[in-house]
Amino acid sequence: EAGVAQSPRYKIIEKRQSVAFWCNPISGHATLYWYQQILGQGPKLLIQFQNNGVVDDSQLPKDRFSAERLKGVDSTLKIQPAKLEDSAVYLCASSPRTGGRTEAFFGQGTRLTVV
Amino acid sequence: AQKVTQAQTEISVVEKEDVTLDCVYETRDTTYYLFWYKQPPSGELVFLIRRNSFDEQNEISGRYSWNFQKSTSSFNFTITASQVVDSAVYFCALSLYYNQGGKLIFGQGTELSVKP
Repeated sequence: EAGVAQSPRYKIIEKRQSVAFWCNPISGHATLYWYQQILGQGPKLLIQFQNNGVVDDSQLPKDRFSAERLKGVDSTLKIQPAKLEDSAVYLCASSPRTGGRTEAFFGQGTRLTVV
Repeated sequence: AQKVTQAQTEISVVEKEDVTLDCVYETRDTTYYLFWYKQPPSGELVFLIRRNSFDEQNEISGRYSWNFQKSTSSFNFTITASQVVDSAVYFCALSLYYNQGGKLIFGQGTELSVKP
């Protein structure tokens, strides 16, 4: 079974530029998460989708971050404009069900460096 | 509010030593789940174990074992006879049963280095 695919693996941009990350979850997984992992910290949830609807985006900085999940499969996370503090690894995860007991399967992440 | 604390930032051991990674959590909910994930240098988080709040039985899987104690709000992870391949960052995480999303609340992580 193929895992969660993310691209690109690495991205370097200047502050105030825009950037987009792509995620393809495990086939059949209805729930998709985007987490932000700043160096030396644990991942923090940015947004969660159930199929193509948003379940939780309470920690998404909506003035600069946006995300969509068209047709309930692939997802794109965008940052516009980027700030230095956005430098982090952006992890996409998926799970077959929603709810607290379900383990999530993670991709390898996109490492973003804002200079 | 929910919180997970992993007080050990870095641990270094020599191969074949046993090592315990500590995890302390905070929540007022009575039903919740605890997880351990491993993050190797390649970056993805690999699921290791899930426990629910009603099951305090310790669990052993090969060289891995987990000790869950509700009385001290701890969910510690022990690796017996550590190997170089165990080198990674390990995260403890909490999820609430009544949270529709299943959001994971992670600790800061413990970086384990196993030297030959």
